[in-house]
Amino acid sequence: QQQVKQSPQSLIVQKGGISIINCAYENTAFDYFPWYQQFPGKGPALLIAIRPDVSEKKEGRFTISFNKSAKQFSLHIMDSQPGDSATYFCAASPYISGNTPLVFGKGTRLSVIA
Amino acid sequence: EAQVTQNPRYLITVTGKKLTVTCSQNMNHEYMSWYRQDPGLGLRQIYYSMNVEVTDKGDVPEGYKVSRKEKRNFPLILESPSPNQTSLYFCASSTSGIPNYGYTFGSGTRLTVV
Repeated sequence: QQQVKQSPQSLIVQKGGISIINCAYENTAFDYFPWYQQFPGKGPALLIAIRPDVSEKKEGRFTISFNKSAKQFSLHIMDSQPGDSATYFCAASPYISGNTPLVFGKGTRLSVIA
Repeated sequence: EAQVTQNPRYLITVTGKKLTVTCSQNMNHEYMSWYRQDPGLGLRQIYYSMNVEVTDKGDVPEGYKVSRKEKRNFPLILESPSPNQTSLYFCASSTSGIPNYGYTFGSGTRLTVV
């Protein structure tokens, strides 16, 4: 079954700290791993994505780490800010999807407190 | 502005009364999809469409219908809504060729069926 398991369900981090959200997948055909960020009352928005040809991708304070052998990937938010408080979804799929949809994790609600 | 527009944003209806949630995108995207978001379950795909007149079931299609008669529109139809369809619904679209790359989501429709 095509699943993406995401943890933790919720996370509280002090301002300036590092937020870490982990995901694991099962389907070895998956080779595209995006993260989406969702603020209350809004739809999810693409934050950052990685493909297996690299083990890490960084965009500003956001970094994806990817471990192909373990079939795991994670999002690190450095210097977390209150404005980062949102729900984060990891997802996975084949890059060229055909009929395979993007499969989402169940989400992590991040709260960054001052 | 490139966007996916859903209407209505909020809807309260009674069991069995047919309803339609509209979705329109202005980015000339071939691929469109409907998701429902429920607490603890994340985003689950209902239906998707690879192009005009081409639709297929997602993970949770029961009780829903869709149509894709025009490229820009992808309405979600609930022929006989039931309380278990109370949820937050999102429409999403993506460019063709690599459908799972960079979904653009609408702002959501919160549906309550009583």
